[in-house]
Amino acid sequence: GAVVSQHPSWVICKSGTSVKIECRSLDFQATTMFWYRQFPKQSLMLMATSNEGSKATYEQGVEKDKFLINHASLTLSTLTVTSAHPEDSSFYICSARSRRDYEQYFGPGTRLTVT
Amino acid sequence: GQNIDQPTEMTATEGAIVQINCTYQTSGFNGLFWYQQHAGEAPTFLSYNVLDGLEEKGRFSSFLSRSKGYSYLLLKELQMKDSASYLCAALDSNYQLIWGAGTKLIIKP
Repeated sequence: GAVVSQHPSWVICKSGTSVKIECRSLDFQATTMFWYRQFPKQSLMLMATSNEGSKATYEQGVEKDKFLINHASLTLSTLTVTSAHPEDSSFYICSARSRRDYEQYFGPGTRLTVT
Repeated sequence: GQNIDQPTEMTATEGAIVQINCTYQTSGFNGLFWYQQHAGEAPTFLSYNVLDGLEEKGRFSSFLSRSKGYSYLLLKELQMKDSASYLCAALDSNYQLIWGAGTKLIIKP
């Protein structure tokens, strides 16, 4: 149990375009979802925390107008990278947490390359 | 402030034992997690400790001392596939995970 999926697994887009990444909890209800970014050979960086039905809480230094997060249901959260630039190229990972425990279940990640 | 410290990199030999240490300072404490992350992949859960002591799970064990703000992950009978980064993360009073930078473990034959 506790499976989290992410789509797409990888995406290449042109500079200036927007990209949407989906994160789904497949067999449990995720009251909280987290979005992380990880640059090569660096640790996870929390971007934002979202609770179902409410606005996301962004970490300091993360532009909320650039990284739009929607957590419309207990099983789906989306991250939209708007007006992407090459420096946004990174590995984006979501995780989900249920009411039952405090473990975070990670999706497989999405590798974004902006050309 | 909140802080997690763990070594940046460790090297060990196949078949041996390695201990990865982690010290934490958080606003409140609700447990400590260890995750394994292979290059290019998302982290996978290894262990969770909230009470003092040692939790053993196969070749991996995790220890916690709340009074010392200290944890370690013990890996026995090392295999080449254990080469990965090991992330220590503490759950603070708001139930937010505070992440360490990770320890890259290199296993040599």
